[in-house]
Amino acid sequence: QVKLQQSGAELVKPGASVKLSCKTSGYTFSTSYMSWFKQIPGQSIEWIGMIYAGDGGTGYNQKFKGKATLTVDTSSSTAYMDLSSLTTEDSAVYFCARRYYDGTYYSNWFAYWGQGTLVTVSS
Amino acid sequence: DIQMTQSPSLLSASVGDRVTINCKASQNINKYLNWYQQKLGEAPKLLIYNTNNLQTGIPSRFSGSGSGTDYTLTISSLQPEDFGTYFCFQHNSWPLTFGSGTKLEIK
Repeated sequence: QVKLQQSGAELVKPGASVKLSCKTSGYTFSTSYMSWFKQIPGQSIEWIGMIYAGDGGTGYNQKFKGKATLTVDTSSSTAYMDLSSLTTEDSAVYFCARRYYDGTYYSNWFAYWGQGTLVTVSS
Repeated sequence: DIQMTQSPSLLSASVGDRVTINCKASQNINKYLNWYQQKLGEAPKLLIYNTNNLQTGIPSRFSGSGSGTDYTLTISSLQPEDFGTYFCFQHNSWPLTFGSGTKLEIK
C-alpha cells in the first residue's frame, strides 16, 4: 500500500536551514508528483509547491519562493524540502502528499499524506 | 489567489444531528472542490473530491454539493467519531488553497 514516511521533528535556530524528507513506498515514485504543505497548529493549511519526480520539475506558491526548495532522490524514492533563512514564522507542521493519479490522469488533489514533521524555530 | 471562506468556524452538534458546513470561493472554481477532515496531530483525510464524489472507504453519511462559488458538506447523521476540523480545498487554480476550517465538536 502507499506510504509516505516523513522525518522527525526539528528544533532549529533562527537564520538556519533545515531539510525535511518524505520517504515513499507502495507505488512508482519516478512517475509521480509530490506536494508539500505548511500548517501552523490551530490554523489552516497552505500549499507550498509541487515536484515531478520524473525530471525534478517544480512549481511553487509565490509566497514560498526563496523559502522552500523541493528536490527528489529517485534511487531512494524520497522527496525533500529545504527551508532556508528560518524565522519564528516558519515554525509549523509540514506535510508531504502525493498528487492523485488514477492510472491515466493526474488531478490536483491529494489522498495520500505523510504524518507531518514539526519544525520549531527558536534560539 | 482564490480565497476560500468557510462557515461556521465552530460547530457543536449532537449524535444523530444533520450537520452542514459551507464553503464560499472568491471566484468560480468549477466544482474543483474537495473536503478534508483533520483530527489533532494527524494528516488531513480526504472525504469528498470534485464537489460530490465520496472517497473510497468514507461512510455514506458524508455528502457534498455545490457549484460556482458555493459548496456544502453535509453529514446526514452525526457520529461520535466525526469530531475534528473540516477544511474545504480548491484545486481549480494555482496556488491551491484551503478554507479556514470548521471545528466540529460533539455535544
